[in-house]
Amino acid sequence: EDKVVQSPLSLVVHEGDTVTLNCSYEVTNFRSLLWYKQEKKAPTFLFMLTSSGIEKKSGRLSSILDKKELFSILNITATQTGDSAVYLCAVNDMRFGAGTRLTVKP
Amino acid sequence: NAGVTQTPKFRILKIGQSMTLQCTQDMNHNYMYWYRQDPGMGLKLIYYSVGAGITDKGEVPNGYNVSRSTTEDFPLRLELAAPSQTSVYFCASSYRTGDGNTIYFGEGSWLTVV
Repeated sequence: EDKVVQSPLSLVVHEGDTVTLNCSYEVTNFRSLLWYKQEKKAPTFLFMLTSSGIEKKSGRLSSILDKKELFSILNITATQTGDSAVYLCAVNDMRFGAGTRLTVKP
Repeated sequence: NAGVTQTPKFRILKIGQSMTLQCTQDMNHNYMYWYRQDPGMGLKLIYYSVGAGITDKGEVPNGYNVSRSTTEDFPLRLELAAPSQTSVYFCASSYRTGDGNTIYFGEGSWLTVV
């Protein structure tokens, strides 16, 4: 059965810290892995990854995929309180992990 | 731009009642999805559609039905509401090519069954 596992489930850091969120997967016929940020309402898109080893960056956020070891990481540097959210990983559009709840304290 | 629009935003149902959550998208996307999200959990796929006239079950389809008569619309029907269906429901769409594509979400529908 397809599976997407995110870790940690929750994380509390202080502003300025760097965090790494993990997403491992076991799916048949992998096509893509997506990262989303969810605050109070609908998830908003962060990154889509399809190829191993190619880092995607957007400001303080970056992500990379390892298709051999079947995982992806999402890095956030110099965290801010506005980064507080649930970060969701999804594989093949359809299978989501449970999410990592990040809390950034001032 | 409207994007993905779902209605209603909030609804309280009694056990055994039926209702339809409406979803429409104006981006000419081929794929549409319905997810549910229980408190503190990730999204679980209920049903999806790869194009008009085609629907398929996701991870948690029991108790729901869908139809896709047009590219734009993808309503979700709850026939006999149960407390276990209390959840937030998200409709989404994407233009799927070979590797996949960004999913665009509606704002969510909060459903309580009492």
